[in-house]
Amino acid sequence: SQKIEQNSEALNIQEGKTATLTCNYTNYSPAYLQWYRQDPGRGPVFLLLIRENEKEKRKERLKVTFDTTLKQSLFHITASQPADSATYLCALSSNTGKLIFGQGTTLQVKP
Amino acid sequence: EPEVTQTPSHQVTQMGQEVILRCVPISNHLYFYWYRQILGQKVEFLVSFYNNEISEKSEIFDDQFSVERPDGSNFTLKIRSTKLEDSAMYFCASSVDKAEDQPQHFGDGTRLSIL
Repeated sequence: SQKIEQNSEALNIQEGKTATLTCNYTNYSPAYLQWYRQDPGRGPVFLLLIRENEKEKRKERLKVTFDTTLKQSLFHITASQPADSATYLCALSSNTGKLIFGQGTTLQVKP
Repeated sequence: EPEVTQTPSHQVTQMGQEVILRCVPISNHLYFYWYRQILGQKVEFLVSFYNNEISEKSEIFDDQFSVERPDGSNFTLKIRSTKLEDSAMYFCASSVDKAEDQPQHFGDGTRLSIL
């Protein structure tokens, strides 16, 4: 079955630095991969979607890469701020519409 | 910006009782989903719904679960006879269509606690 793995350990970084989160997947060749943000007690919020033929996608301070050979996506937040502290979820888009989520990586940005 | 709303925010129910979780998806969206998240675990797909029919369901979505769109705005998840292991956050989501390149918009969930 499809498997999607994110670093389960929390990532602690200093304000202003770049945060890099990793998402690896197996047993699947998704055409699309999505990233969501989840704050405690809230639902996931869509951030970015990247297609398999796109190497990189940017939105403001966010950047996502997608390497279908390595079966990996990297999610970067540049010039990080304490308000970026949250759990970030990677999700594979299936052709039936359902999302298959990773367990998420919690990011803590310290002032 | 339009949003998905879910009620109640917290539901406490005795084991064996029926519970109905309610969602109002975004008005022009056509696909609806339920996911659940057990405390400390990943968000898991339960079911997708389109044109008044279930499109896909996971192995979690057994005969105790059902979904319904009783009118033009609400989308409900019913659990007939709740079990302790049903305790979780339940998220409703909607999307314009089911295409893989469509983001899903989530509500803030209903926390279901089974006693």
